[in-house]
Amino acid sequence: QSALTQPASVSGSPGQSITISCTGTSSDIGGYNYVSWYQQHPGKAPKLMIYDVSNRPSGVSNRFSGSKSGNTASLTISGLQAEDEADYYCSSYATSTTPYVFGTGTKVTVL
Amino acid sequence: EVQLVESGGGLVQPGGSLRLSCAASGFTFSYYSMIWVRQAPGKGLEWVSYISSSASTIQYADSVKGRFSISRDNAKNSLYLQINSLRAEDTAVYYCARQSTMAQFDPWGQGTLVTVSS
Repeated sequence: QSALTQPASVSGSPGQSITISCTGTSSDIGGYNYVSWYQQHPGKAPKLMIYDVSNRPSGVSNRFSGSKSGNTASLTISGLQAEDEADYYCSSYATSTTPYVFGTGTKVTVL
Repeated sequence: EVQLVESGGGLVQPGGSLRLSCAASGFTFSYYSMIWVRQAPGKGLEWVSYISSSASTIQYADSVKGRFSISRDNAKNSLYLQINSLRAEDTAVYYCARQSTMAQFDPWGQGTLVTVSS
């Protein structure tokens, strides 16, 4: 099972909106609504930001939103803030001998 | 406060073994499935293993199948990962996480570093 494909880096100015894509196949993202997104600051553990494509856990800012179209999922961060600078990973359930796959990761830089 | 704390990492020679532990607190451990995820230095996340709440269902990534063994002790609120026949490519920070639904890994522990080197 290959990793899901994400852009290596995305950047934006404070207050702007950015979108991170996560591309898979019909065997993972396209086949299930079990996509989640994780934020990871340097040296820290990942933190769940979005689950089931578009649901936000309690305590996560509503500036974070998720969506999916076909085999591609997306995470949008609106009103970009300095604290949003981190690595972001998508994940999906998959029809495979390895049931979950993560994305390659995207480094978000706030200019 | 819901908390997961990993331990047991360290430096081990190729071919060696380690047992990682994950101590859970702040929630009813026996109600939840648990997973292990690893992250090689400077690399992305890799799903490693899953165990259901009663340990009736266990799954592994192809990359570790036959060498890693996941288990749990609900009476001790603890999750384990026995890792054998270690290779250099197993060098990583190993995280445990609670799995609430099919796509909800939350929270995560702080991780424990496993270094495989001679």
